[in-house]
Amino acid sequence: NAGVMQNPRHLVRRRGQEARLRCSPMKGHSHVYWYRQLPEEGLKFMVYLQKENIIDESGMPKERFSAEFPKEGPSILRIQQVVRGDSAAYFCASSSDRGGYTEAFFGQGTRLTVV
Amino acid sequence: GENVEQHPSTLSVQEGDSAVIKCTYSDSASNYFPWYKQELGKGPQLIIDIRSNVGEKKDQRIAVTLNKTAKHFSLHITETQPEDSAVYFCAASIPSTLTFGKGTMLLVSP
Repeated sequence: NAGVMQNPRHLVRRRGQEARLRCSPMKGHSHVYWYRQLPEEGLKFMVYLQKENIIDESGMPKERFSAEFPKEGPSILRIQQVVRGDSAAYFCASSSDRGGYTEAFFGQGTRLTVV
Repeated sequence: GENVEQHPSTLSVQEGDSAVIKCTYSDSASNYFPWYKQELGKGPQLIIDIRSNVGEKKDQRIAVTLNKTAKHFSLHITETQPEDSAVYFCAASIPSTLTFGKGTMLLVSP
């Protein structure tokens, strides 16, 4: 049973380009969370999605950032017109909420560098 | 919303010593408290968790305690080893949400 898969592991974009980060949850998990981590900082919640629905996007910047989790395929975090400040590690976690507890497992992250 | 405070931010111990990391949470509705270990360049790994109907849980050298009245929980690592060196995050969860502490960098010196 594969864990949470994120790709790419490393992504370099020039300022103004678009970044697309992908996350395939663990088998049987229908909940996906995206977090951002700056160097030597904690995990900042961005968005929580279930299949085809955004449940909580309170941590996501209002502009340039969007997320989706379609019925088929991975969850996508999209950053348009990237700026230097978007450089960070982006982690995805998935859970099943079985029994009412959010036991979440993380992927290895995508490290975005904006040059 | 939930707020999780974690202390200390850095902890240095000698190999073989014990390490304790403490967290407090604000929302009494939180019912699940996981701990994650993050090694350099990797994603957070779930190492132990505790549910609100349990006061203590142990798994080999690591243990977690929960005091619901005081709204705090702690991670205890005994007989530390150099490979325990990492950043440790606590989290508090209401179903479908996870709020993290800012992390503790644990350094275990041989």
